[in-house]
Amino acid sequence: DSGVTQTPKHLITATGQRVTLRCSPRSGDLSVYWYQQSLDQGLQFLIQYYNGEERAKGNILERFSAQQFPDLHSELNLSSLELGDSALYFCASSPQREFTDTQYFGPGTRLTVL
Amino acid sequence: DAKTTQPNSMESNEEEPVHLPCNHSTISGTDYIHWYRQLPSQGPEYVIHGLTSNVNNRMASLAIAEDRKSSTLILHRATLRDAAVYYCILKTSYDKVIFGPGTSLSVIP
Repeated sequence: DSGVTQTPKHLITATGQRVTLRCSPRSGDLSVYWYQQSLDQGLQFLIQYYNGEERAKGNILERFSAQQFPDLHSELNLSSLELGDSALYFCASSPQREFTDTQYFGPGTRLTVL
Repeated sequence: DAKTTQPNSMESNEEEPVHLPCNHSTISGTDYIHWYRQLPSQGPEYVIHGLTSNVNNRMASLAIAEDRKSSTLILHRATLRDAAVYYCILKTSYDKVIFGPGTSLSVIP
């Protein structure tokens, strides 16, 4: 158990809808990262937040957004969903802001868009 | 852009050493080499990382070529619990991350 929790575990929704994925980092970790894992694209980094501020951006679509709250939990919002957004979404956390720090991954949220 | 390549799959006998290769011929001077593994139905798990020198920890060793264009993750004695997909990842201090395609390791009892 990495200490990172993600909810929900599974999510099934329809095209055009909007969903919110939630992540609670390990106690004391200030950075949260979001990743997408799909069969055709593999693992892709989406975005990093550090202590409430956006720190780094990867291949995140404009339809997706994230935020980190004062209690350090984070949410990833996916809107205007398409079939191709079906994937596993992982959250990871690390103690500091450096991207090269060891990251601790949560169990993931499996999103299915029908 | 930097890129990593890994074999799709490898097999090892239980209790034997495993050498998992990764090529990253376009690596930059500031790119760290990280290895994570993903067990079935779980999130990735940190294994080891390095910049230039070889590294050892309780899980594995990382051997980095002198020119840094390749690296090898070494599991000294494979166990059934080591069966996983192993990802070689380049991370820059400028916040870019390049994932390899991963090597699926099977361990034969």
